[in-house]
Amino acid sequence: AQKVTQAQTEISVVEKEDVTLDCVYETRDTTYYLFWYKQPPSGELVFLIRRNSFDEQNEISGRYSWNFQKSTSSFNFTITASQVVDSAVYFCALSIYNQGGKLIFGQGTELSVKP
Amino acid sequence: DAGVIQSPRHEVTEMGQEVTLRCKPISGHNSLFWYRQTMMRGLELLIYFNNNVPIDDSGMPEDRFSAKMPNASFSTLKIQPSEPRDSAVYFCASSFATGAGYNEQFFGPGTRLTVL
Repeated sequence: AQKVTQAQTEISVVEKEDVTLDCVYETRDTTYYLFWYKQPPSGELVFLIRRNSFDEQNEISGRYSWNFQKSTSSFNFTITASQVVDSAVYFCALSIYNQGGKLIFGQGTELSVKP
Repeated sequence: DAGVIQSPRHEVTEMGQEVTLRCKPISGHNSLFWYRQTMMRGLELLIYFNNNVPIDDSGMPEDRFSAKMPNASFSTLKIQPSEPRDSAVYFCASSFATGAGYNEQFFGPGTRLTVL
C-alpha cells in the first residue's frame, strides 16, 4: 500500500526564520512521482513542485528548496527566510507510475509565520 | 488562461436533498479528478476520469455518490440523498496525463458543501 506521512501537524515560526517541512512516503513501486502543494487560507490548492523517483537532485526555487532522499523515503521542503505570506497548509503527495495520476496526499502541515 | 472552474462555490442544503457539483477542467486536459477534503480524513480521491471515461471510482464512499463526464469540458458530482457527514470541501482537478501519472494536477477553488 502507498502512504504519505507528514508528521508535523503545525509549525509556528517568526518571520525570517528558516523552516523545514517533513514528508515521508511509502511505496514498493520503483517509479513514482512526488509533489508539494500549498493551500493558503483562501482555500485553493497551488502546485509547487514535482519530482520523479529517478531524479534525486535537490531543487531550489527562490526561497524554496526541496531535498529528495530515496534512502530514507523522504521529500522534505525548506523555506528560507520565511515570510508571513508563506502561512498556509502544505501537502506532500505521491503518484504511482501507470496509476492514472491519482494523488495520495499526506495530512498536511499547517505553517504559521508570525511577523 | 482560465483555470479549473467549479460551481457553486458554496452550497448549503438540508439532509435528504440532492446536491450537484459542477466542474469545468482546463481546456486540453484529458484527466479529471474529484477529491474531498475533511478535517478527519484529509484530502481523498473520490473518482477520476481519463478521456471522459471513469477509471477508478473506488474512493466513492457509497452509492449515494455518482459522477459523470459527458464531454471533455464538463463533469458533475452528485450526492443523492445528502447527509450531514457529506459536509466537506469538494475539489475538482485536471491534468494532461498519459497514464504515467507524472503531470501535476491543477485544482479548482473547491465547493464548500454544508448539509444540515
